[in-house]
Amino acid sequence: DSGVTQTPKHLITATGQRVTLRCSPRSGDLSVYWYQQSLDQGLQFLIQYYNGEERAKGNILERFSAQQFPDLHSELNLSSLELGDSALYFCASSVEVGYSAEAFFGQGTRLTVV
Amino acid sequence: SQQGEEDPQALSIQEGENATMNCSYKTSINNLQWYRQNSGRGLVHLILIRSNEREKHSGRLRVTLDTSKKSSSLLITASRAADTASYFCATANDNSGNEKLTFGTGTRLTIIP
Repeated sequence: DSGVTQTPKHLITATGQRVTLRCSPRSGDLSVYWYQQSLDQGLQFLIQYYNGEERAKGNILERFSAQQFPDLHSELNLSSLELGDSALYFCASSVEVGYSAEAFFGQGTRLTVV
Repeated sequence: SQQGEEDPQALSIQEGENATMNCSYKTSINNLQWYRQNSGRGLVHLILIRSNEREKHSGRLRVTLDTSKKSSSLLITASRAADTASYFCATANDNSGNEKLTFGTGTRLTIIP
């Protein structure tokens, strides 16, 4: 158990809909990262937050947004969903803002858009 | 885009043999990390090697780093069936003080009992 909790584990929704994925980082970790893993694109970095502030942005679509709350949990919002958004979405946390230390990954949310 | 490229894409070996996976990357790095992913599950950190280190050991794992060639290798000795998984290298880049961890495409390792 990495200590990072993601909910829900599975999500099936229709095209055009909006979903929210939730992540609780390890106790004491201030940094949260979101990744998307699909068969054709591999593991893609989406966005990083540190202590409530956005710190780095990757290949995140404009239809996607995220935030980190004062209690350090984070949410990834996916809107106007398309079939191609079907993927595993991972959250990771680390104690520091950078990657000098290891990142701990949650078990992921498997999103299926039908 | 992927920073790292693992080689080979897939590897099957007999239990007890050693497995070697390679990773090449493109830009300068602060550190390089190896992760394991069991099918459909989260990634688990294995080992981190800093840019000023050349070799690191952790149990049955041995990692080397050659910054001049922008490459790293992961050696798993005396492989076990439980080592069957996908292995990813990830590089941490210093980009204006904000690092992001960029993953390679992974090597799918199968240990044959």
